[in-house]
Amino acid sequence: GQNIDQPTEMTATEGAIVQINCTYQTSGFNGLFWYQQHAGEAPTFLSYNVLDGLEEKGRFSSFLSRSKGYSYLLLKELQMKDSASYLCAVKNQAGTALIFGKGTTLSVSS
Amino acid sequence: DVKVTQSSRYLVKRTGEKVFLECVQDMDHENMFWYRQDPGLGLRLIYFSYDVKMKEKGDIPEGYSVSREKKERFSLILESASTNQTSMYLCASSLGQNTGELFFGEGSRLTVL
Repeated sequence: GQNIDQPTEMTATEGAIVQINCTYQTSGFNGLFWYQQHAGEAPTFLSYNVLDGLEEKGRFSSFLSRSKGYSYLLLKELQMKDSASYLCAVKNQAGTALIFGKGTTLSVSS
Repeated sequence: DVKVTQSSRYLVKRTGEKVFLECVQDMDHENMFWYRQDPGLGLRLIYFSYDVKMKEKGDIPEGYSVSREKKERFSLILESASTNQTSMYLCASSLGQNTGELFFGEGSRLTVL
């Protein structure tokens, strides 16, 4: 089976940097995704990691360590609009579906 | 622009009613998924389908069934709705045999009284 852990809530201030961690245990690893979900809206894709290392995309970066079963999402130069839930997800063993963590709600204040 | 459309944003049903939630995608995606999202529990996979007439159980299939008669349409069926099925239901699709990025619909909020 799979188990995914991420903090429930985080707070930060505008302009700061925040790191959202995700640890996972899977019976077979096929890739890890990060999604952003604003309140009342559908989740939208942020990043995908399948190899170890850092993937940078503008203000957002995602890191993966397969040996440690660990990923993080790094948000730089935080803006108020970054207030949202951030969902970590891994593929199931067959690679046919995504299994999600419970999500981290990030609140950005001025 | 990619589009996943769920037929109803809000539904209110009574216990024991049969409920259909419809989802249509216009991206010619092979894979379609139904999740439910509850506070404190996150997104949980109910059923998915990787081809027409094919279906696979997710983590919480009990009390649900699905139908995929056409590639673009994936229906979630609650044969006899119960109050513990009050939830936000999210449909998603993805391209290819190995599931990649998911595209989600706006969600259907179901209340069972």
